[in-house]
Amino acid sequence: QTVVTQEPSFSVSPGETITLTCGLSSGSVSINSYASWYQQTPGQAPRTLIYNTNIRSSGVPDRFSGSILGNKAALTITGAQADDESDFYCVLQMAGGISVFGGGTRVTVL
Amino acid sequence: QLQLQESGPRLVKPLQTLSLTCNVSDGSITNGRYHWSWIRQPAGKGLEYIGRVYMTGPTNYNPSLESRVTISLDTSRNQFSLELGSVSAADTAIYYCARVRAVTMIRGKSYYFDSWGQGTLVTVSS
Repeated sequence: QTVVTQEPSFSVSPGETITLTCGLSSGSVSINSYASWYQQTPGQAPRTLIYNTNIRSSGVPDRFSGSILGNKAALTITGAQADDESDFYCVLQMAGGISVFGGGTRVTVL
Repeated sequence: QLQLQESGPRLVKPLQTLSLTCNVSDGSITNGRYHWSWIRQPAGKGLEYIGRVYMTGPTNYNPSLESRVTISLDTSRNQFSLELGSVSAADTAIYYCARVRAVTMIRGKSYYFDSWGQGTLVTVSS
């Protein structure tokens, strides 16, 4: 069974830029994986950030951007802020239209 | 603005069926642009897709749960429901309902979660 992989954790200083990635244990991510990204702070429901690889959801600041980097989907946060400290999840679409979540990346803003 | 609210028993005994309902407000579950989905999250762990349903009936389930899951729509009440059978402690989690936007692309359809309920904690215990 193919697993969606994400970095478990990431630390960043305020104002820095970070790139989180979303890959496959077997195979490559492409635009046809229709990657989406979600942000979740403790005790809250997830919030939709990016869909279809690089389209920002309504109201999402433009410092969040999505792309394909090599064989992975990527979420870049340009100029990290304190309130970006949260868990970030990617979702890839697999065969049969099944949505599979990555394990999530915990971002700490130091 | 669309509102999603989960409801149902918070405590379920092992081997029984977990049943939850998601009430949809300020939006219709018969809107053909959307599917309706359930996702869950065990305490301290990541999110897991359970499945989704469309107004004309087709469903899509996580293969690891498919044998125990039913997701259905109640158009008269503008709600959709989750039933998960033969539960065990491993099914203890926060359960979220979500709206899924379906977009026709050059190669197939893209699905993403565009609105979420607040989630409800369901505990499986005797």
